[in-house]
Amino acid sequence: RKEVEQDPGPFNVPEGATVAFNCTYSNSASQSFFWYRQDCRKEPKLLMSVYSSGNEDGRFTAQLNRASQYISLLIRDSKLSDSATYLCVVNRQGAGGTSYGKLTFGQGTILTVHP
Amino acid sequence: GAVVSQHPSWVICKSGTSVKIECRSLDFQATTMFWYRQFPKQSLMLMATSNEGSKATYEQGVEKDKFLINHASLTLSTLTVTSAHPEDSSFYICSARDGREGPYEQYFGPGTRLTVT
Repeated sequence: RKEVEQDPGPFNVPEGATVAFNCTYSNSASQSFFWYRQDCRKEPKLLMSVYSSGNEDGRFTAQLNRASQYISLLIRDSKLSDSATYLCVVNRQGAGGTSYGKLTFGQGTILTVHP
Repeated sequence: GAVVSQHPSWVICKSGTSVKIECRSLDFQATTMFWYRQFPKQSLMLMATSNEGSKATYEQGVEKDKFLINHASLTLSTLTVTSAHPEDSSFYICSARDGREGPYEQYFGPGTRLTVT
């Protein structure tokens, strides 16, 4: 089983639509969760961290369910500029601090927003 | 925000040659830098962790003699792909961590696209 799994999509939605991405992680000891965005042939950029109580940043809402080891990202009122690959990212856990700062990336979910 | 640069942004080399990629933190001191590799339509895979002044630690399955990492200063880490082969063609991305921030605050460089012919 992969450490971080995402539905690869692609998701093709019209402008203004609401779209949701899901992600599951395998290590129950994971503590930090993020959504990154990666444009074609570019580096990933942090979209938002994900907190236990859920958090919102404008049109983006992230939620975490620790019991189910499940993370979600909701995008409301999609814009053309939202077209990108969305990466679910989880901190890696390991013994003795050997994994300090290390991140595990999901394979990404491709979103295309069309006019 | 913090800026990380990579050089070169793309490189084409012949099989058997070595290629050096630089990763620089421009406006902060990076106590730790990470090197990732991304193949087409796949996710980023961590190759190694580089700490200033000490030896890099490599992920399982990554050959340390093939991918040489040098973190000579708090603003520069280099990755050298030695005796490159076509299967090493990939997108190499570094990230840098500012020691004053949390462990998972990382700033990514723009990546280096390596093509080995």
